[in-house]
Amino acid sequence: AQSVAQPEDQVNVAEGNPLTVKCTYSVSGNPYLFWYVQYPNRGLQFLLKYITGDNLVKGSYGFEAEFNKSQTSFHLKKPSALVSDSALYFCAVRDMGSARQLTFGSGTQLTVLP
Amino acid sequence: DADVTQTPRNRITKTGKRIMLECSQTKGHDRMYWYRQDPGLGLQLIYYSFDVKDINKGEISDGYSVSRQAQAKFSLSLESAIPNQTALYFCATSENRADTQYFGPGTRLTVL
Repeated sequence: AQSVAQPEDQVNVAEGNPLTVKCTYSVSGNPYLFWYVQYPNRGLQFLLKYITGDNLVKGSYGFEAEFNKSQTSFHLKKPSALVSDSALYFCAVRDMGSARQLTFGSGTQLTVLP
Repeated sequence: DADVTQTPRNRITKTGKRIMLECSQTKGHDRMYWYRQDPGLGLQLIYYSFDVKDINKGEISDGYSVSRQAQAKFSLSLESAIPNQTALYFCATSENRADTQYFGPGTRLTVL
């Protein structure tokens, strides 16, 4: 079975400071990993994904995520937060070998304070 | 994403009523999905379809049914709505096993 955990329901950060949104996963094989963002009254938008290759993945809007196999983590990061980054962020995983669909985490509400 | 549309965007209905939510896409993707979103629970998969003849139950299919009328259309039905089906419902599409999914704007359903 596959699972994903986002240990923080809420993350607050000051504008201009670096931000991190945490994600850990569990799969029996190798993972596909994704980050999505949801703005109010909107559907989810794709930010970035890890399939294979370089552990540091760069995505939209200046976000990046680092795949860490030993810690089974895929934390989302941005060097300098903007107020407009305030949104709900979802991590998702699919076990390459055994699963046909994604499992999403419960989401982390990011608030960037001016 | 305007390539994935959902109708209606908002719906209020009563317990026991039948309701259909519709999803259309112009992305040409074979794979389509229905999710529901509840606060604090993230997204839960209801049904997914990898092509017109391949429809599969997700984590929470009880009380729901689907129809894949064409490659571009995937409908979700609640045969007899109940209040705990009040949620935000999303349709999504993807092209292949790389699984980047593209979401519609959502339908907010309230069952009284």
